[in-house]
Amino acid sequence: AQSVTQLDSQVPVFEEAPVELRCNYSSSVSVYLFWYVQYPNQGLQLLLKYLSGSTLVKGINGFEAEFNKSQTSFHLRKPSVHISDTAEYFCAVSPNTGGFKTIFGAGTRLFVKA
Amino acid sequence: DAGITQSPRHKVTETGTPVTLRCHQTENHRYMYWYRQDPGHGLRLIHYSYGVKDTDKGEVSDGYSVSRSKTEDFLLTLESATSSQTSVYFCAISERDRNTEAFFGQGTRLTVV
Repeated sequence: AQSVTQLDSQVPVFEEAPVELRCNYSSSVSVYLFWYVQYPNQGLQLLLKYLSGSTLVKGINGFEAEFNKSQTSFHLRKPSVHISDTAEYFCAVSPNTGGFKTIFGAGTRLFVKA
Repeated sequence: DAGITQSPRHKVTETGTPVTLRCHQTENHRYMYWYRQDPGHGLRLIHYSYGVKDTDKGEVSDGYSVSRSKTEDFLLTLESATSSQTSVYFCAISERDRNTEAFFGQGTRLTVV
């Protein structure tokens, strides 16, 4: 079984500041990792994903994440945020065995202030 | 954007009434999912489908049923709505059941009064 913990429910940050949204997971098998973003009144859309290979993954809108197997983490970062990055961000874990067992974290609400 | 349409987008219904939500896709993806989103819980899987007439339960399936008679349509039915089913419901699709992302619809906000 898998579990996902997003360590911060809300992250306020000033515009142009860097931000890190933290995600830890546990799993008995190898996993695929995803970050999704949800803007108000919309569905989720993929920011980035880690399937294999380089542990540093770059996504859309200037976001990147680093897979750390030893710490079972997949933290999301952006060096300089914009007002338009205000949204809710979800970390998701999917076992490499498949079987519709993708688990989503509870979400982190990023609030970018002017 | 992936072609996923959910209907209705908003609905208010009374306790004890049946409700059906519809998800329609134009991507011809094999796998379809229904999730509910509640504050503090993220997204939780209700039911999923891996082909026409092939469906199975997710982690929060009690009180819900689904049907998939065509590749493009996946229906979620609340047999007798309860207040605990007040939530935002999302449909999602994917090409495979692993190592691939899901594409989400815009969501249906359901209020049971």
